[in-house]
Amino acid sequence: GDSVTQMEGPVTLSEEAFLTINCTYTATGYPSLFWYVQYPGEGLQLLLKATKADDKGSNKGFEATYRKETTSFHLEKGSVQVSDSAVYFCALSEGTNAGKSTFGDGTTLTVKP
Amino acid sequence: KAGVTQTPRYLIKTRGQQVTLSCSPISGHRSVSWYQQTPGQGLQFLFEYFSETQRNKGNFPGRFSGRQFSNSRSEMNVSTLELGDSALYLCASSGGTASEAFFGQGTRLTVV
Repeated sequence: GDSVTQMEGPVTLSEEAFLTINCTYTATGYPSLFWYVQYPGEGLQLLLKATKADDKGSNKGFEATYRKETTSFHLEKGSVQVSDSAVYFCALSEGTNAGKSTFGDGTTLTVKP
Repeated sequence: KAGVTQTPRYLIKTRGQQVTLSCSPISGHRSVSWYQQTPGQGLQFLFEYFSETQRNKGNFPGRFSGRQFSNSRSEMNVSTLELGDSALYLCASSGGTASEAFFGQGTRLTVV
């Protein structure tokens, strides 16, 4: 079955540091890939997405590129802020059906001033 | 437009009781999915409903059930609650041209 593996956390960075959160996946078909963010006490919010190989998703300074050859979708940001502190989830869904998504375990990011 | 709405936000139940959670999807979305989130197990897929029919099901016992109404609103029921059912239950809707799921804020269930 499908699976998503995220780098183990938690991750603690100083403000303005560079962020990378690794994500690799296993899927039988051609999945869509997502990064979601969860703030304390809240549900998940979509951060960015990519629906086909070599697509780059970007939002709020975060970027991730769909790499089919390495089955990866690593999240990056050049300069993190304290407000980026949250839990980040990598996820995939098969084809256009987002109704059944598979999530990674989540990576907790803490940014210190 | 309004997002995904889950009610109630918080619940405290006693072991052995049953509970019903509600989810109203984004207008026009026909798919509603439920997830259980716990610190130890992460986000686990419970089931998906599409046009009032269960389309996908995760690996949860039969105590967990759901349904969807003609207006796409969905309910999830857990019977004979166990302490291990304490979790954040998230509902997500999807549909139209969007390829992603939109999540509600969740219902925090505590079983004592």
